[in-house]
Amino acid sequence: EPEVTQTPSHQVTQMGQEVILRCVPISNHLYFYWYRQILGQKVEFLVSFYNNEISEKSEIFDDQFSVERPDGSNFTLKIRSTKLEDSAMYFCASSSKDRPNSYEQYFGPGTRLTVT
Amino acid sequence: KQEVTQIPAALSVPEGENLVLNCSFTDSAIYNLQWFRQDPGKGLTSLLLIQSSQREQTSGRLNASLDKSSGRSTLYIAASQPGDSATYLCAATGANNLFFGTGTRLTVIP
Repeated sequence: EPEVTQTPSHQVTQMGQEVILRCVPISNHLYFYWYRQILGQKVEFLVSFYNNEISEKSEIFDDQFSVERPDGSNFTLKIRSTKLEDSAMYFCASSSKDRPNSYEQYFGPGTRLTVT
Repeated sequence: KQEVTQIPAALSVPEGENLVLNCSFTDSAIYNLQWFRQDPGKGLTSLLLIQSSQREQTSGRLNASLDKSSGRSTLYIAASQPGDSATYLCAATGANNLFFGTGTRLTVIP
């Protein structure tokens, strides 16, 4: 069964460094998302992406964040200058919306980002 | 802004018991309501999706209902098993994102 994959599974970085989190969505999906979950808190929406542009972003997704689909398979989240409070689990998701009103999102296993 | 609440926050039941998890949302203008399972330190596994025009969905021992007008959804788990122990999240779907609740941590005692 097709699944969303994410790499790396765990990333440790120093404050102020740039990190890139990678995702490979399900191959026929056209809509891509990033979410994060700080330990013990809710899963929070960051950004959605369709047709090579951002569809929607949350207040969390400030100028330090960017997303890119550099080729036909990868979808990346870049944090330019990491802060301690960026430590969280980051989830990538994708959906196809192939059925009317179907917005079922499929999630990857996550990347645990630890900023020290 | 959509707010999603789940009660109880934690639930412990003996194996074999039927149980209900509750989810409420403040904005009834949702596309879908999706239930997920999350194991500790792991990703999110989609369990059921109820489209806004539907009232319930079933998958095996799981049954989810949706009442948009009252802003509520329930997840019913029949004949619970120790393997059902996990955190269960509900999420209300907007056009481009999901709004998650804080989850119910379920422990099924053998």
